[in-house]
Formats: sequence, C-alpha cells, structure tokens
Amino acid sequence: QKEVEQDPGPLSVPEGAIVSLNCTYSNSAFQYFMWYRQYSRKGPELLMYTYSSGNKEDGRFTAQVDKSSKYISLFIRDSQPSDSATYLCAMSVGTNFGNEKLTFGTGTRLTIIP
Amino acid sequence: NAGVTQTPKFQVLKTGQSMTLQCAQDMNHEYMSWYRQDPGMGLRLIHYSVGAGITDQGEVPNGYNVSRSTTEDFPLRLLSAAPSQTSVYFCASSYPGSLKAFFGQGTRLTVV
Repeated sequence: QKEVEQDPGPLSVPEGAIVSLNCTYSNSAFQYFMWYRQYSRKGPELLMYTYSSGNKEDGRFTAQVDKSSKYISLFIRDSQPSDSATYLCAMSVGTNFGNEKLTFGTGTRLTIIP
Repeated sequence: NAGVTQTPKFQVLKTGQSMTLQCAQDMNHEYMSWYRQDPGMGLRLIHYSVGAGITDQGEVPNGYNVSRSTTEDFPLRLLSAAPSQTSVYFCASSYPGSLKAFFGQGTRLTVV
C-alpha cells in the first residue's frame, strides 16, 4: 500500500463548478500537507500548505485536513479554464529535516470545460 | 531571477550509456532533491541533500548517484542507463523550515 493515495481522475467539470480533490494517507508521522499544481510539461508549483486539522482558505481555494481520518482535500470554487492542470497532494514529516523529502500522491488531472 | 534550472530539457540515451542531469539554483537554498515522475506513480524521491557535502537516498535510488560540492549545484548521474529509467526528472530546492519547494522545469529522458 502506498503511503499516499490520490483519486487518479481524470476529472472534467464545467466552468464555475466547485471541484473537490482528495488524498488519503497511512503514515501518522506526516505533519505538513501541501497541494501542488502542475501545468502540462512544467514543474509543480506550490498552491497551498497547511499543518493542522481544519480548513485554510486562499481566494477560490480551500485546503482541508482531517488528521483523525488521515484525509485531505482541496476545494476550488468558481472554477476557471486556467485551473486546468494536474493537482498533486504532497506530505512531509517535518519542516526542519523533512521538507527535502516530500511524499506525493499520483496526481489528479483536472479539466475545466468553458 | 532564474530559480531552479535543469539541463538538458530532453535527452535520448542508449541502454548502457551514462550521463549527468544538471540542476542549479540561485536562491541559496540548503535543501535540494531529485524526483522522477512516471505515469500512475506520481513523483518519487531519488536522492536528496540537506547541504553541501551531505546526501542521502530516497525511495528509488538504485542506478543513480549524486554529489553536492556546492550549495548551488546538485547533479544526478545515471551510471548505466536502462529502459526502466525512462522518465521525467525534476530537481527541487527549498530553505530549511520552509514548506515551499521550488521545482525546475524537468528533464525528459528516454532510454532506448
């Protein structure tokens, strides 16, 4: 079993819809949770990060963590065609000697249909 | 502001050949890492470094060597290329204590 499981998609939704992307994990040592966005033939870029259970909001994006269930989500409101990309969840055991060792999900390819 | 620069962008190798993938960053980041990205597998850690002179293995280190003689550079060496090493390789860097890793644009490697 992989340490991090991510719904593979692909996922296609109409413009303006709410998108929900999810990951589950098995390693209780993970403390920090990140979402990266990767456009086609580009490197991943950090979208959001959080380190506690609950919600964190940044504009149209909300990251949610439930440590008791080992489940994280990314919600995108009012989705735009420019949101079309692959979204990768990533996790780390700590910032001091952990951020160089990220464990990634497989990624979900998202397409927003105009 | 270059960030993380990887060269080459594309490479085709024959089985058994060796080569070095270059990675350089100009942000004075102490942490650097190499990942490979394969369909259905996500990004997997190959090797990482927490500073000049310090390297360690990640999840899939076999067939790869690294060294870190300077803060800026972290080359990845393929000793004897195999078709199973066909992949997209990403280099990343970050500050200690920061959750933001900066990735390069990737090197697409095909081994025939």
